[in-house]
Amino acid sequence: AQSVTQLDSHVSVSEGTPVLLRCNYSSSYSPSLFWYVQHPNKGLQLLLKYTSAATLVKGINGFEAEFKKSETSFHLTKPSAHMSDAAEYFCVVSGNTGNQFYFGTGTSLTVIP
Amino acid sequence: GAGVSQSPSNKVTEKGKDVELRCDPISGHTALYWYRQSLGQGLEFLIYFQGNSAPDKSGLPSDRFSAERTGGSVSTLTIQRTQQEDSAVYLCASSSTTNQFLSYEQYFGPGTRLTVT
Repeated sequence: AQSVTQLDSHVSVSEGTPVLLRCNYSSSYSPSLFWYVQHPNKGLQLLLKYTSAATLVKGINGFEAEFKKSETSFHLTKPSAHMSDAAEYFCVVSGNTGNQFYFGTGTSLTVIP
Repeated sequence: GAGVSQSPSNKVTEKGKDVELRCDPISGHTALYWYRQSLGQGLEFLIYFQGNSAPDKSGLPSDRFSAERTGGSVSTLTIQRTQQEDSAVYLCASSSTTNQFLSYEQYFGPGTRLTVT
């Protein structure tokens, strides 16, 4: 069965410092992996996705994530946090039929000015 | 272009009443998904449509929940005899297609916040 674990429910960083949001997945095959962001009172927006191409994936707003099969991880990073990055972030793994998606419980990112 | 829309944005209902939640996907998107997001939880998959058919209903929590999709477009999620534990945000998403071997990006609506009193 597929599952996702987001290791931190809350992360707080200072503006201008790096961001690291951790995600580990469990899958019996080669999955597709996604990161979505949800700003308050807004719909979820795709940040980036991994679908078995390059293991380092670049997304919008300066975010990137690296797929590490040996560690079953797909951590999200950004070199320098902006105030506008404050939001809820979800790591997602696809099911084995490509049409079902398993969401982590989310990581709330706070950016301190 | 227009994104995924959902209505109503907020719904307060009394325990035991039925509710209908509506989702208008992006035009031309063949795949449509319903999720439930409870406070402090991740998204819980409910049901998936490919066209008008629902090959995967495994996430529906009970037989009080049902969904349909007509004309390959609008979908309605119905909850009968609502219970307080049904209180959550119900999210709809659509994608251009779906494939057994490739997962496509989902576009999410803003959600319907359901409160059962």
